[in-house]
Amino acid sequence: DAGITQSPRHKVTETGTPVTLRCHQTENHRYMYWYRQDPGHGLRLIHYSYGVKDTDKGEVSDGYSVSRSKTEDFLLTLESATSSQTSVYFCAISEGTTSATFNEQFFGPGTRLTVL
Amino acid sequence: AQSVTQLDSHVSVSEGTPVLLRCNYSSSYSPSLFWYVQHPNKGLQLLLKYTSAATLVKGINGFEAEFKKSETSFHLTKPSAHMSDAAEYFCVVRNTGNQFYFGTGTSLTVIP
Repeated sequence: DAGITQSPRHKVTETGTPVTLRCHQTENHRYMYWYRQDPGHGLRLIHYSYGVKDTDKGEVSDGYSVSRSKTEDFLLTLESATSSQTSVYFCAISEGTTSATFNEQFFGPGTRLTVL
Repeated sequence: AQSVTQLDSHVSVSEGTPVLLRCNYSSSYSPSLFWYVQHPNKGLQLLLKYTSAATLVKGINGFEAEFKKSETSFHLTKPSAHMSDAAEYFCVVRNTGNQFYFGTGTSLTVIP
């Protein structure tokens, strides 16, 4: 299995509080991603990173920010959590090389976040 | 723009019968396509990927998918369903910017 860990694995918080989720990889992959998974929606991209300090928005980025100060760590922050952000959050990594092998993503175990 | 459509949100099959999970893609160039599986309360695991080397792709656990450019399809099949195949399946397309777009998923139920 690819070396990807997420912390915490479960969190319950209150509306209006800040929350930070951490993704850590040991694979030295260039790309890192944050997704949220909700019933009926599949996985939706929140933000992604293509290198240290290089990040970009995904399709559901409102209310979220990210930071990547080291290759191995990608942080997702909910500045002021809302009940609509209750979800399961997955981190993923990808090599992102220009080879023709169409390299895939590897996923972390997920973080279940509940905002009351 | 890239996108995928999974045509069935739920599929039920009897154990030992064939499985067909349908996926259509939209891409302005030759796509990179993947199927992932997610078992209940678990993470996502790669089943197979289309690399353009062959249109029929073999994956893990006896699954296959056939890339059909004329039909813009990448359907997932298995000749004989097993109880352990019960899971959520996602079709995924990747763009040149290394962003991955997921379908909404197909939940497979296997009836004993």
